[in-house]
Amino acid sequence: EVQLLESGGDFVQSGGSLRLSCAASGFIFSTCAMSWVRRAPGKGLEWLSVISGLGGATYYADSVKGRFTISRDNSKNTLYLQMTSLTAEDTAVYHCAKTHRGSYLDASDIWGQGTMVTVSS
Amino acid sequence: QSVLTQPPSVSAAPGQKVTISCSGSSSNIANNYVSWYQHLPGSAPKLLIYDNNKRPSGIPDRFSGSKSGTSATLGITGLQTGDEADYYCGTWDSSLSAGVFGTGTQVTVL
Repeated sequence: EVQLLESGGDFVQSGGSLRLSCAASGFIFSTCAMSWVRRAPGKGLEWLSVISGLGGATYYADSVKGRFTISRDNSKNTLYLQMTSLTAEDTAVYHCAKTHRGSYLDASDIWGQGTMVTVSS
Repeated sequence: QSVLTQPPSVSAAPGQKVTISCSGSSSNIANNYVSWYQHLPGSAPKLLIYDNNKRPSGIPDRFSGSKSGTSATLGITGLQTGDEADYYCGTWDSSLSAGVFGTGTQVTVL
């Protein structure tokens, strides 16, 4: 069964940092681009970042560019999101997702349940 | 502020049909595939439609997608109470070099 399990969400002070992880299983991890998406309380889904299967290409939303870094360890089947300079506006549930064909342009067919990040000001 | 615009809400009685529009531009919808997702806060989003009009296995044919120019549409027929959720369109924006989601539409079954 294809599964994604996020972890690392926590309470953090404004200006702080946090690293989220997404453990993948049930598919060949290195063949799939992976992304991070968040949903803040009372708001809609917000795309954050995507990384290609081998990690050579990364893209970011303007709202997190320069503050967040996406990476992956294909030997551990794990995706990461390093978040710095956090503000209250980053408070959200963070989901990881895999693309259904592998390209960063493809739709995301499997999603994790999410991990909650709360930034206190 | 999302670059893809959806109506905030739509509603209909059980068994009826709803359509959700997603309006974009030449840098996103017009030149990239559109996907649609169903999401209930606290759960994992679910892919309903990919490549404008294709359904993943397990998604009933009550859900359909279409695209024309800079707009896309999700249709849900035979509405069920279990369809109450938030729905989002998504695509790639070639100008931003980033993925984008629509503003989201809440579906209510009356």
